[in-house]
Amino acid sequence: NAGVMQNPRHLVRRRGQEARLRCSPMKGHSHVYWYRQLPEEGLKFMVYLQKENIIDESGMPKERFSAEFPKEGPSILRIQQVVRGDSAAYFCASSRQDSSYEQYFGPGTRLTVT
Amino acid sequence: LAKTTQPISMDSYEGQEVNITCSHNNIATNDYITWYQQFPSQGPRFIIQGYKTKVTNEVASLFIPADRKSSTLSLPRVSLSDTAVYYCLVAGYSSASKIIFGSGTRLSIRP
Repeated sequence: NAGVMQNPRHLVRRRGQEARLRCSPMKGHSHVYWYRQLPEEGLKFMVYLQKENIIDESGMPKERFSAEFPKEGPSILRIQQVVRGDSAAYFCASSRQDSSYEQYFGPGTRLTVT
Repeated sequence: LAKTTQPISMDSYEGQEVNITCSHNNIATNDYITWYQQFPSQGPRFIIQGYKTKVTNEVASLFIPADRKSSTLSLPRVSLSDTAVYYCLVAGYSSASKIIFGSGTRLSIRP
């Protein structure tokens, strides 16, 4: 029973490039969450998705960031025209439909913008 | 969303019992109390969840008083591998809920 999968684990992008982060939820989980964590800080909620539906994107920056969770395939967090301030660890979590408080996290993607 | 307050850091020694208390004065009737553990360079891990009184699993115990305005995570006989950040969260039992992580408590265990 595989856990939450994220890839890539490490991603290096130059300023202005696009970053695509992928997340495959646990089997049987229909909800996906994305968080960002800066060094020595807590996790910041970004977006909460169900299949083909964004439930809450109140933590997403208004520009350059988007997320999707298609009917088939992994959830994608997309960052366009990356800047150095986007360097962080991005964690994905998943949960069952009826227990959003019990989330299972992936290993994270560490994005470095040079 | 109910805000939580917990100590920034705590130190203890191997073999001791560690209790981390979290305040959540504005907890709502349908909120559950949940604790996560995060090791460096890893995603958080769900530890325990409760609504009232006491909950125990193979990892920890969670004590919740009758007024539910606080909770205490108890780690029995800690070891060096329990060094981590511990997050206290409150969230509704709802498919529309998001959960908010605070800064957590950085627990350091010494030999």
